[in-house]
Amino acid sequence: SAVISQKPSRDICQRGTSLTIQCQVDSQVTMMFWYRQQPGQSLTLIATANQGSEATYESGFVIDKFPISRPNLTFSTLTVSNMSPEDSSIYLCSVVRGRRGDTQYFGPGTRLTVL
Amino acid sequence: AQSVTQLGSHVSVSEGALVLLRCNYSSSVPPYLFWYVQYPNQGLQLLLKYTSAATLVKGINGFEAEFKKSETSFHLTKPSAHMSDAAEYFCAVSLSASGSARQLTFGSGTQLTVLP
Repeated sequence: SAVISQKPSRDICQRGTSLTIQCQVDSQVTMMFWYRQQPGQSLTLIATANQGSEATYESGFVIDKFPISRPNLTFSTLTVSNMSPEDSSIYLCSVVRGRRGDTQYFGPGTRLTVL
Repeated sequence: AQSVTQLGSHVSVSEGALVLLRCNYSSSVPPYLFWYVQYPNQGLQLLLKYTSAATLVKGINGFEAEFKKSETSFHLTKPSAHMSDAAEYFCAVSLSASGSARQLTFGSGTQLTVLP
């Protein structure tokens, strides 16, 4: 498995502001992922973050709204920009592990409320 | 394309009763299948996974799941529910052909309530 931490664990923000979420892993990983879980909903993949390259965004998510950094193999950040109440969600990062790189392990999540 | 359907957004069982959470998948290639659990105010924890080895997979906390290709199912079971099993459970599928877990698609989740 993997030990993954996220900061902050929760936050309450004002409309129009931005929040940067940090994800730290206990060992080097090639691929890190960012997900959004809206209230009462399942998880939706926002983007894949590989070290040394631009993040790959899924349909419906854009870099201007969710810029991602991946400065090294153990760390990534996701910024939620120009927030609105619709951005109130849990944001989770995950990493790939397993002998064949076939399993994702998740961080504890960041609970964001936008007023 | 791949998809996952979890039947029953809410399931209630009595403590000590059988837990059965249903998951059906759709995939054009042999899938990898996963069950995750999310306890209140926590992230997702891997319960078990199927990656083309034994069709009956045993996981943590007494849970197990059986991959049935003919039924395209991967139902999660536990013989005897415990109060601590109350949580949200997610079934997920990824494409084994890709060799990675990138294309992980989640079901809508099933909230399990355990009654005393």
